[in-house]
Amino acid sequence: ETGVTQSPTHLIKTRGQQVTLRCSSQSGHNTVSWYQQALGQGPQFIFQYYREEENGRGNFPPRFSGLQFPNYSSELNVNALELDDSALYLCASSFARVSSYNEQFFGPGTRLTVL
Amino acid sequence: KNQVEQSPQSLIILEGKNCTLQCNYTVSPFSNLRWYKQDTGRGPVSLTIMTFSENTKSNGRYTATLDADTKQSSLHITASQLSDSASYICVVRPSGGSYIPTFGRGTSLIVHP
Repeated sequence: ETGVTQSPTHLIKTRGQQVTLRCSSQSGHNTVSWYQQALGQGPQFIFQYYREEENGRGNFPPRFSGLQFPNYSSELNVNALELDDSALYLCASSFARVSSYNEQFFGPGTRLTVL
Repeated sequence: KNQVEQSPQSLIILEGKNCTLQCNYTVSPFSNLRWYKQDTGRGPVSLTIMTFSENTKSNGRYTATLDADTKQSSLHITASQLSDSASYICVVRPSGGSYIPTFGRGTSLIVHP
């Protein structure tokens, strides 16, 4: 069974640029969530996708957008990058229907640095 | 506003010693609380899940407690090992809506030989 994978591992961008981060969910999982984790902080929920539709969004501006594909992999897109967007971006997948008890399995994250 | 507060922010202990990490939350309505271990540069990994009716749950050397009345949880680590050095994050989920979890900032634990 393959775990959650994310790409790229590290990324350096400049202010104003756009970035796309990718996530492959664990086999059998159809729910994907994205989190932003600033240095020394806990993860902050960005949004969640269930069966290719957004199903919950945190307090992030519209320049943070996402997609989930038929194979349940997902993308996080961030437009007009700002310095404060520098963080570890975590993807987590969970099994079957959305539930408060479903364990989320996290990927290793993508470290984004905005200069 | 749903919040999860953890203490201490950081902790240094000697190998073999025990320690206890604290988590207070204001998430409502409450569904469950998880403790995660996050190694540096890795994603969090779940250690335990506590529901409303559970007071104590163990996973090897990790023991979590929950007091749903005072909205407090603790994670006790027994006979610490060097590999326990990590960030420990408390996560609380509500029982409604999209079940969006609220994460604490974590406690950074360093175990010295």
